[in-house]
Amino acid sequence: EDQVTQSPEALRLQEGESSSLNCSYTVSGLRGLFWYRQDPGKGPEFLFTLYSAGEEKEKERLKATLTKKESFLHITAPKPEDSATYLCAVLNAGGTSYGKLTFGQGTILTVHP
Amino acid sequence: DTAVSQTPKYLVTQMGNDKSIKCEQNLGHDTMYWYKQDSKKFLKIMFSYNNKELIINETVPNRFSPKSPDKAHLNLHINSLELGDSAVYFCASSHSGAPKYFGPGTRLTVL
Repeated sequence: EDQVTQSPEALRLQEGESSSLNCSYTVSGLRGLFWYRQDPGKGPEFLFTLYSAGEEKEKERLKATLTKKESFLHITAPKPEDSATYLCAVLNAGGTSYGKLTFGQGTILTVHP
Repeated sequence: DTAVSQTPKYLVTQMGNDKSIKCEQNLGHDTMYWYKQDSKKFLKIMFSYNNKELIINETVPNRFSPKSPDKAHLNLHINSLELGDSAVYFCASSHSGAPKYFGPGTRLTVL
């Protein structure tokens, strides 16, 4: 069974203090690893898809990286508006896996001004 | 322009009642999903439709029945609501693969 574990559960940063969120996964065959951002009371917002180890993607202050066992979401010089829950999910390569993502429990990021 | 919309936003009802949640996407996607987010914030897939055909049906009580009248709509009907059904339900859509656009969610509270 696919498993995704995110750490830490919660992270408090000062504005400008860079850090990383971790997503460890176990999957029989990885079709893709996904990062989403979720604001309170809203649906997840897609950020990145990573497909193979060594791949990196960037968007503004966020950079996602992927190895064979984990993914990191690096946040450089965060701002208060980056505060949200960040969700990681994996898509299994086998069978009929349309949208059958396995999600982690998320990391709640709070950035203080 | 709302990409994926859901109604209602909040739903409070008594145990044993039957209720429906509606979802519509205006992105032209061919795949739609229902996800459930529990109190611990875990998102779990319930159903997925591709071109109006059911392709994922997870271990969900048969009190939950999805219906897709066309590619742009996916509704969720729940019979005989139970306390444990209280959660936030998200609709999502994509061009196959994994969901990229989620709706705002429907918070269901069963009393």
